[in-house]
Amino acid sequence: EIVLTQSPGTLSLSPGERATLSCRASQSVSSSYLVWYQQKPGQAPRLLIYAASSRATGIPDRFSGSGSGTDFTLTISRLEPEDFAVYYCQQYGSSRTFGQGTKVEIK
Amino acid sequence: QVQLVESGGGLVKPGGSLRLSCTASGFTFSDYYMSWIRQAPGKGLEWVSYISSSGGTIYYADSVKGRFTISRDNAKNSLYLQMNSLRAEDTAVYYCARGGMFMDVWGKGTTVTVSS
Repeated sequence: EIVLTQSPGTLSLSPGERATLSCRASQSVSSSYLVWYQQKPGQAPRLLIYAASSRATGIPDRFSGSGSGTDFTLTISRLEPEDFAVYYCQQYGSSRTFGQGTKVEIK
Repeated sequence: QVQLVESGGGLVKPGGSLRLSCTASGFTFSDYYMSWIRQAPGKGLEWVSYISSSGGTIYYADSVKGRFTISRDNAKNSLYLQMNSLRAEDTAVYYCARGGMFMDVWGKGTTVTVSS
């Protein structure tokens, strides 16, 4: 099973700042089969990025994904108030596993 | 609009059974793989199971294999999860979601609590 480790656990930032979230896999994720979700309290997750770097429908361009192999990154270029949430990565190259999440909180 | 609505959650004793349902609308249900994902209180996401569009391909997480059964009825636009031999660690919000590799549409979830 591929284990995904997200860092940091919590990111404290102010609106307007840049957020960089990391997702590291225990073995290579084939064909960049990695996605990112956003989850707000009491809500279901929302798909942000698929295939490591493709934005899902309706996702603002301040969200971007990059990486390959074992190291992947989600970047939010300028944080908006509605971006404070928990972010999960998930791989689907070998079975399906989620990272433990990174909470982006207001500083 | 595209929508998934789960039902069937509740309180059940350890060892008991529960059947979750998910009704889809706004898209051609029979064209899509479907998944169940769960989230224990205060914890992260755990993929539980997925089923192919025809029902011919099914996978389960090791944690539920042999106890849970996923199925679908394309004529009724519905997805199901039969959960048997429930344990305290199965307590979670269960989400129905569209997709088998990654999930692009999610329901709001239904809560399952396993407790005596």
